[in-house]
Amino acid sequence: DAGVTQSPTHLIKTRGQQVTLRCSPISGHKSVSWYQQVLGQGPQFIFQYYEKEERGRGNFPDRFSARQFPNYSSELNVNALLLGDSALYLCASTTRSGYEQYFGPGTRLTVT
Amino acid sequence: KNEVEQSPQNLTAQEGEFITINCSYSVGISALHWLQQHPGGGIVSLFMLSSGKKKHGRLIATINIQEKHSSLHITASHPRDSAVYICAVMEYGNKLVFGAGTILRVKS
Repeated sequence: DAGVTQSPTHLIKTRGQQVTLRCSPISGHKSVSWYQQVLGQGPQFIFQYYEKEERGRGNFPDRFSARQFPNYSSELNVNALLLGDSALYLCASTTRSGYEQYFGPGTRLTVT
Repeated sequence: KNEVEQSPQNLTAQEGEFITINCSYSVGISALHWLQQHPGGGIVSLFMLSSGKKKHGRLIATINIQEKHSSLHITASHPRDSAVYICAVMEYGNKLVFGAGTILRVKS
C-alpha cells in the first residue's frame, strides 16, 4: 500500500504569489491534516479535514485555506505569499479515530 | 510557555549509550506521539501512547498521565538513530500540538 503522498516536493515562489499544495492520504483514511514546519521549529497545526468537512483550524491567517475532495485527497492553498511562509508543509492522514498519524514526505516551499 | 516542552534540545551520545528524551505538557490530552524526523523532513511515527509503556526494538516510550510527562528511551544507541525526535500531544478535538524537537547525534 502506498503511504501518504504529497506534491510537489519542492517549490519556489515569489512574494505575493499564490500556491497550491496537494496531498493524497493512505487508502481508506478519510481524515487529512496539514502542518507547517518552519526551519528549526516543531510543526504547527494548520487544518484538519474529515469527510470533506473542516474539523479543526490552527492559528493561521485567512490567506491559508484548504479543501478535501470526494476521494479524500486534499489541497492547501496559500494566497499573497510572505517570506515567512517559507517552510516545510506536512500532510498527515489519519484513521477514522484520528489518533494514528501517518505523515507524508512534505513539500518544501521557499518564498523569495 | 509552550504547551509541549522537550528536553534536552540537543543531545550528543557515543554509540552504545542509553539515551533519554523527556517531554512535558500542560494541556489535557487524549494521546501522545513520539515522532522521528530525518534530514530532508520525512516524519515517522514511533509510538502513540495514552497510558503506560510501549516497546519496539531498542525504543521504549513511557507516559505518566497524572504528571503530564513522557519519556523516550533508546537502548544501545547507534549512529543511525541520529535524527530529530519530536513529542506531540493529541488535544481533544484531534489537534496535534508539537514540541520543538530534540536533535540527537550518536557518534561512532
